[in-house]
Amino acid sequence: DAGVIQSPRHEVTEMGQEVTLRCKPISGHDYLFWYRQTMMRGLELLIYFNNNVPIDDSGMPEDRFSAKMPNASFSTLKIQPSEPRDSAVYFCASRRSGTGNTEAFFGQGTRLTVV
Amino acid sequence: AQSVSQHNHHVILSEAASLELGCNYSYGGTVNLFWYVQYPGQHLQLLLKYFSGDPLVKGIKGFEAEFIKSKFSFNLRKPSVQWSDTAEYFCAVKKGGSYIPTFGRGTSLIVHP
Repeated sequence: DAGVIQSPRHEVTEMGQEVTLRCKPISGHDYLFWYRQTMMRGLELLIYFNNNVPIDDSGMPEDRFSAKMPNASFSTLKIQPSEPRDSAVYFCASRRSGTGNTEAFFGQGTRLTVV
Repeated sequence: AQSVSQHNHHVILSEAASLELGCNYSYGGTVNLFWYVQYPGQHLQLLLKYFSGDPLVKGIKGFEAEFIKSKFSFNLRKPSVQWSDTAEYFCAVKKGGSYIPTFGRGTSLIVHP
């Protein structure tokens, strides 16, 4: 299994531009999470999906942030317009539901720099 | 709201020193507990986890953690650290029946050779 795949690995953009981060969860995992990691706040849960449906987006910082999951194998996190304070590492994670002892598996992350 | 506290934000050790990283959580019900490690420039990887049974959990690379329910703690330990253990360590707690883990702020460990 290739694991959770995120793209791009690094993104540098100018303030005001639209940024789209992509994630492919592990096949068969029905939960998908988007996290943001910063020095100041650590690892924050932004939003999570179950069976492609957004369940809780209370962690999304502003309306500039949006996330979609059009199918079970793809999700996007979009920031429009981007601001310098959005600079962070964004992680996507997935896990499967069920009664087994399962944990979340993380992607490599996208390091976003907004200048 | 459930919270996870990692009291040590930065730890610096010499090789062969013993390690203990603290983790406390606030939820009083059934919990599942995790320690993740993030090596420089890499993603989070699971180090060990506790769901039930023996409260002393053995993980990869010689790490272990002990769940002490009365203290709401799940401290991570390693008797002798190596330079390659330099990383960020995250404690995570998930309420039983939930699928959403809450992460601590992380502890940055630097091991000097």
